[in-house]
Amino acid sequence: DTGVSQDPRHKITKRGQNVTFRCDPISEHNRLYWYRQTLGQGPEFLTYFQNEAQLEKSRLLSDRFSAERPKGSFSTLEIQRTEQGDSAMYLCASSLPSRGEANYGYTFGSGTRLTVV
Amino acid sequence: AQKITQTQPGMFVQEKEAVTLDCTYDTSDPSYGLFWYKQPSSGEMIFLIYQGSYDQQNATEGRYSLNFQKARKSANLVISASQLGDSAMYFCAMREIGNGQNFVFGPGTRLSVLP
Repeated sequence: DTGVSQDPRHKITKRGQNVTFRCDPISEHNRLYWYRQTLGQGPEFLTYFQNEAQLEKSRLLSDRFSAERPKGSFSTLEIQRTEQGDSAMYLCASSLPSRGEANYGYTFGSGTRLTVV
Repeated sequence: AQKITQTQPGMFVQEKEAVTLDCTYDTSDPSYGLFWYKQPSSGEMIFLIYQGSYDQQNATEGRYSLNFQKARKSANLVISASQLGDSAMYFCAMREIGNGQNFVFGPGTRLSVLP
């Protein structure tokens, strides 16, 4: 297991279509995070899971967005009725449980770049 | 209010010279961590260096060092002996122990290393 894998790397879709992205975390990491990064900006937090439980969702995660992690391993992020404003890089990350410190084995994937035309 | 501020949208540095990328942060949580990530054009976020709020010494990792000034709430990244491969976006980020599990990132600084 060499890191966090995301699929696809690139996705071009027409406005109004649904898209789904997949993230496979590092196997021993029980926490999984989704971030969105628009052009010229830093990543922004969307949501995170501990095992299969979705514990936090950002206000950025509108009703058209849904994330799942059904078995506590891989996760999917679905965007329904895509809009041009959804065009961004979607980054996944995974980590070990916190031991009360801020730095605990946090690894990002290479992202899925979505372009809505 | 912005929690992470990076005031340099772009920086140029001559190869083999040192460069400092600025970062200031805002938090009321006494326990937090500060991070620098490098993002090349391929898109992956590469972890560079970490500084904990209780760490007494500035962090160093090879050519990277973090100039941590807690009272001023600044965490500048210093890259020594710049290389052409250092050209990338650099993001400063913070995690607050008492405020969830997510990072807050700054807007980034684009570093260009000139031959």
